[in-house]
Amino acid sequence: QQQVKQSPQSLIVQKGGIPIINCAYENTAFDYFPWYQQFPGKGPALLIAIRPDVSEKKEGRFTISFNKSAKQFSLHIMDSQPGDSATYFCAASNFNKFYFGSGTKLNVKP
Amino acid sequence: NAGVTQTPKFQVLKTGQSMTLQCAQDMNHNSMYWYRQDPGMGLRLIYYSASEGTTDKGEVPNGYNVSRLNKREFSLRLESAAPSQTSVYFCASSEMVRGEQYFGPGTRLTVT
Repeated sequence: QQQVKQSPQSLIVQKGGIPIINCAYENTAFDYFPWYQQFPGKGPALLIAIRPDVSEKKEGRFTISFNKSAKQFSLHIMDSQPGDSATYFCAASNFNKFYFGSGTKLNVKP
Repeated sequence: NAGVTQTPKFQVLKTGQSMTLQCAQDMNHNSMYWYRQDPGMGLRLIYYSASEGTTDKGEVPNGYNVSRLNKREFSLRLESAAPSQTSVYFCASSEMVRGEQYFGPGTRLTVT
């Protein structure tokens, strides 16, 4: 049973669009929610992370929205660029164990 | 700084063979992790080491063993490889519990 459910599986947007990737979890003990970006042939790299005591966090063009009561969180990419084309993973952590979503492959068309 | 390094980059094994995947980090991090990545499954934690001298099971530990050789190195051993262990394996490290994880470039393993 997957601990973190991620959707959509793939996403195509035009340059300048705002792709939104959603994740949901069940375990209320999770207390750290990072997003990772992965380019083909590379390891994932941390993009942005949030803890459940805040509802939103922005870093540059990337925003996490967090809804504790619904047990959902999402990644928004403002003014998306072709260079943002990659696979994005959400994750949730309880102590030292991290559980990842299944990934969203984003394609930003020029 | 090289960050997190993994060897080998690619490996093909026959069913029943054994091998060890090596991982090293030069960031003086306390915690280290081994994940496997399969299509449509995201990354799944195999084992982790919160600090030097400790190791714990993750989500999918069966068929694997680990050794935290020292603070820098964390190896993953497959004693008797099976086709179900065909995957891309990533090592990661973090300074502290739930800190930012830095990933290595991965090892692509095929078991025939």
